Amino acid sequence: IAGITQAPTSQILAAGRRMTLRCTQDMRHNAMYWYRQDLGLGLRLIHYSNTAGTTGKGEVPDGYSVSRANTDDFPLTLASAVPSQTSVYFCASSEGGPTGHTDTQYFGPGTRLTVL
Amino acid sequence: GQNIDQPTEMTATEGAIVQINCTYQTSGFNGLFWYQQHAGEAPTFLSYNVLDGLEEKGRFSSFLSRSKGYSYLLLKELQMKDSASYLCAVMDSNYQLIWGAGTKLIIKP
Repeated sequence: IAGITQAPTSQILAAGRRMTLRCTQDMRHNAMYWYRQDLGLGLRLIHYSNTAGTTGKGEVPDGYSVSRANTDDFPLTLASAVPSQTSVYFCASSEGGPTGHTDTQYFGPGTRLTVL
Repeated sequence: GQNIDQPTEMTATEGAIVQINCTYQTSGFNGLFWYQQHAGEAPTFLSYNVLDGLEEKGRFSSFLSRSKGYSYLLLKELQMKDSASYLCAVMDSNYQLIWGAGTKLIIKP
């Protein structure tokens, strides 16, 4: 693989169910991010990780959790999905560093999630 | 609050030049990014400005004025494949990207 992969590509989910969106990068980037993209709105940051073992909350973290057990993987979990979480979810990564970085973010292909 | 403004939609003709504007109000500034996003695809990096002035990269150029909170993306010799959304994003004092809603550019033959 090269770059960032996300799985699944799309998913229809019943409200109340638990769901984990997967993200893997092979660029050995330190920083990783989860965004959601909704029509008419800019990308909104859900959670981020500056380096393996650390995570932080973004603009819209409620209802979502993340973990960063290693450099390559950054899964996003919806503990109990609600219809307002219907969105396109993008994972991204950047070279980054432990504190602060202004480098370019590279995006995965996205996961289209529908919660009914 | 933090805010990024850009036009919702623009139309231009193949072969022409188009300028997409972006104004911003953010808590701190650590650079401005432009990304291109084709429908149903991921955003891809176009340019980064942190100092005032014009950065040229082939058919695409990006300008920044920090004192005015203003940037533009200039696309020359438009091609049909340039039909996409163009996203402006500012990195704030916490090194988080604040995104505009994007400008959908429609290219007509």
